[in-house]
Amino acid sequence: GDSVTQMEGPVTLSEEAFLTINCTYTATGYPSLFWYVQYPGEGLQLLLKATKADDKGSNKGFEATYRKETTSFHLEKGSVQVSDSAVYFCALSVENTGNQFYFGTGTSLTVIP
Amino acid sequence: GAVVSQHPSRVICKSGTSVKIECRSLDFQATTMFWYRQFPKQSLMLMATSNEGSKATYEQGVEKDKFLINHASLTLSTLTVTSAHPEDSSFYICSARLAGGASQYFGPGTRLTVL
Repeated sequence: GDSVTQMEGPVTLSEEAFLTINCTYTATGYPSLFWYVQYPGEGLQLLLKATKADDKGSNKGFEATYRKETTSFHLEKGSVQVSDSAVYFCALSVENTGNQFYFGTGTSLTVIP
Repeated sequence: GAVVSQHPSRVICKSGTSVKIECRSLDFQATTMFWYRQFPKQSLMLMATSNEGSKATYEQGVEKDKFLINHASLTLSTLTVTSAHPEDSSFYICSARLAGGASQYFGPGTRLTVL
């Protein structure tokens, strides 16, 4: 079945450090891939997405590349800020299942000054 | 664009009462809306999918008589938690999808606390 496996947290980094959060997926069809961010006490916000192989999604300094050969969609940022502290969810959506979303378990990131 | 609102943002109720949560797409028409539940420090669990004008499709293990979903228009879906109990306390999040689109747009969530 369709699923997402996400790097377990929590992750604690110093400000300006490099961030990688790993995400791999299993899909029966050809999925679209997403990263969502959830700040404390809030709902989910779409951070970036990619809809086909080799696409790179980017937003607010975050990037992720859709790698079909490794079934991965790792999230990266070159220099994190305290304001990036949040929970990050990797997700996939497959058209042949009615675009139902499958979420990873989330990775909590804390950035310390 | 693509803003989804939820109301209320927080609700506290007594055990045995019913609570209604509204989910609205503010600037687009959503043929499909989704309801999720999130327990502390866990991922989102899809509860049900609702299509405008038809009955909701519930995920396995979700009681449809307890969690009543109505998608009366292209911009509004409601979730009613009937006869709420403390174990129903959770963060409920809705999302909406544009017709023909893959992305889902999430509401800010509703924190339900049942005493």
